[in-house]
Amino acid sequence: GAVVSQHPSRVICKSGTSVKIECRSLDFQATTMFWYRQFPKQSLMLMATSNEGSKATYEQGVEKDKFLINHASLTLSTLTVTSAHPEDSSFYICSARASGEDTIYFGEGSWLTVV
Amino acid sequence: AQSVTQLGSHVSVSEGALVLLRCNYSSSVPPYLFWYVQYPNQGLQLLLKYTSAATLVKGINGFEAEFKKSETSFHLTKPSAHMSDAAEYFCAVSHTGGKLIFGQGTELSVKP
Repeated sequence: GAVVSQHPSRVICKSGTSVKIECRSLDFQATTMFWYRQFPKQSLMLMATSNEGSKATYEQGVEKDKFLINHASLTLSTLTVTSAHPEDSSFYICSARASGEDTIYFGEGSWLTVV
Repeated sequence: AQSVTQLGSHVSVSEGALVLLRCNYSSSVPPYLFWYVQYPNQGLQLLLKYTSAATLVKGINGFEAEFKKSETSFHLTKPSAHMSDAAEYFCAVSHTGGKLIFGQGTELSVKP
């Protein structure tokens, strides 16, 4: 079946630095990818919709200058957390929809710890 | 606006017993509905989905769900629980385009 891969699976960074998380669709093309954030024992909150070749659409309350999303190709979207703070520590999950399909495939998630 | 409510943040059943996880949705248009399972520290795995075809949807691992428009429900069931079913389960609704709105999640525990 379709596979979505995230990298890195775990990352630790210092406060004030930036960190990039990649989301790749391995065997299909995804014109749209989605980024979610999940705190421990909580549900997934949609952060933004990433559209290939255009600007991302952010959900209300999500700082677009802090969470930079780039969808440069049909198989890759990246989330960059800029000037990271400890409160940005969370589990970030991406998903992708194959062109012409209605099934959403999720990545394995990336744990970000800001120290 | 679309929303999902999962009744019960935690459900505990005995091994071999019926599993019933409740999900009610709100949508102004015919929805697409999904159930996902999440094991600790992992991403989400699709169990099943409803996309306006048959109202009784069969998924993986013996799970199934029935779409009931009159009750705006999409409850997840499994006749006989296994220990390996212990996980977090999320119900989600989508209109079109793939943007999912998730419920709060239900943690399923299975007792031996």
